[in-house]
Parts: sequence; C-alpha cells; structure tokens
Amino acid sequence: SYELTQPPSVSVSPGQTARITCSGDALPKQYAYWYQQKPGQAPVLVIYKDSERPSGIPERFSGSSSGTTVTLTISGVQAEDEADYYCQSADSSGTHVVFGGGTKLTVL
Amino acid sequence: EVQLVQSGAEVKKPGESLKISCKGSGYSFTSYWIGWVRQMPGKGLEWMGIIYPGDSDTRYSPSFQGQVTISADKSISTAYLQWSSLKASDTAMYYCVRRGSGQYYFDYWGQGTLVTVSS
Repeated sequence: SYELTQPPSVSVSPGQTARITCSGDALPKQYAYWYQQKPGQAPVLVIYKDSERPSGIPERFSGSSSGTTVTLTISGVQAEDEADYYCQSADSSGTHVVFGGGTKLTVL
Repeated sequence: EVQLVQSGAEVKKPGESLKISCKGSGYSFTSYWIGWVRQMPGKGLEWMGIIYPGDSDTRYSPSFQGQVTISADKSISTAYLQWSSLKASDTAMYYCVRRGSGQYYFDYWGQGTLVTVSS
C-alpha cells in the first residue's frame, strides 16, 4: 500500500525556521496537504494544494514541492506552533487518501 | 459558519454494536463528501472512508473495508459510522471530516468522538 514518510520529530528554537518533509512516490502527481494537531484538539488544515494557505493561517506557514518530497516550512517559529504535523495526499490513482505518520515539532 | 458536530463519547464492551454521528451545518450537506478518520491512542491519523450524501456513493480505505459501515441521512444532514461487533482494538478517537471542493483534502473537522471498547 502507498505510504507517506515523515521524520518523527523536529526541534527548533523560537524565531528559527522549521522544515518538515514528507516523501512519497505519487507526490509528483498528487497534491499534498498539511494539518496541525495540538494536544487534545482536532487537526487543522494549514496548507492545501502543496503551497496554498487557508484563510486565517499565519503567513509564517508555507509549503513547497520538489519531485517526490513536499516540505512544510514554518518561519519565525513561535511557542504556539509546537504540535504534531501530518502530511496527506492520495495514491497515484487518486482513489485513496493517505496520511503521513506525523512529525512532532518541539519548540525548544 | 461551517460546523461538523459529532455525537458524544461512548464506552462499549467487545462484541457490542455502535453507531456514531456527525451533523453538518452552515453549508449544503449534499454537495460535499464527508469522511471519517481514526486516531488510535498516541498514534497518527488513518483515513477510513468517505460518503457523498447527495447520492450515498461510498468509498472505503482497504484497511477498513468490511470492518465498518459509513452512511448518511441527507434529510437531517447527518453522517454515520457504525460497527456491528466492536473489538478492543477499535478504541480510538474518530473524527468526521468534510472533503474540500474539487480536491482530496479535509477543510473542516468535527470535534471527535472517543470510543472506548473494554470488557
């Protein structure tokens, strides 16, 4: 079955830039999406269609794509950004949804 | 304002049946796919399946096909997730989600329903 691979954890100091990657063979053909989940809360969409930002999401969140890897970048990380981040896409046929395993972002 | 409001937490015994719900409001319920996502304790997100309330077209993740049933009642703008015989391994938080327009992503999430299965 199709898989998306994320690093389990990323740590950054406040004000630095955090980059979270997500790799998958079908990513050149399928858009990627990113969700932020804080403890005890439902996930929130922070990036859609690789690099678009929903209304209400701070500009410090951005997304990019290169080949089989997509990247979520958080510039000027704040303490409130500490959360789990999940990438999501579809398999090459576009039939089935897949989530990455999630990355825990720690703000030191 | 778009809202997905889920039914409350459940505690069940193995072998029991269960049906949880998700009521949509603030948008045309029949025009958007509604899906379900599982999150086991301390684990990641897993897509279970999705339904189009307009015509009840339903798709399941291969991992959940045959294990659960997804349905919808468009007259009351409510989607359902049901089990006929729960197992301890069904213990998890379940989120209903609205699929975004035109693409396979989820722009709105319910608050989650915690299902605990224990003898």
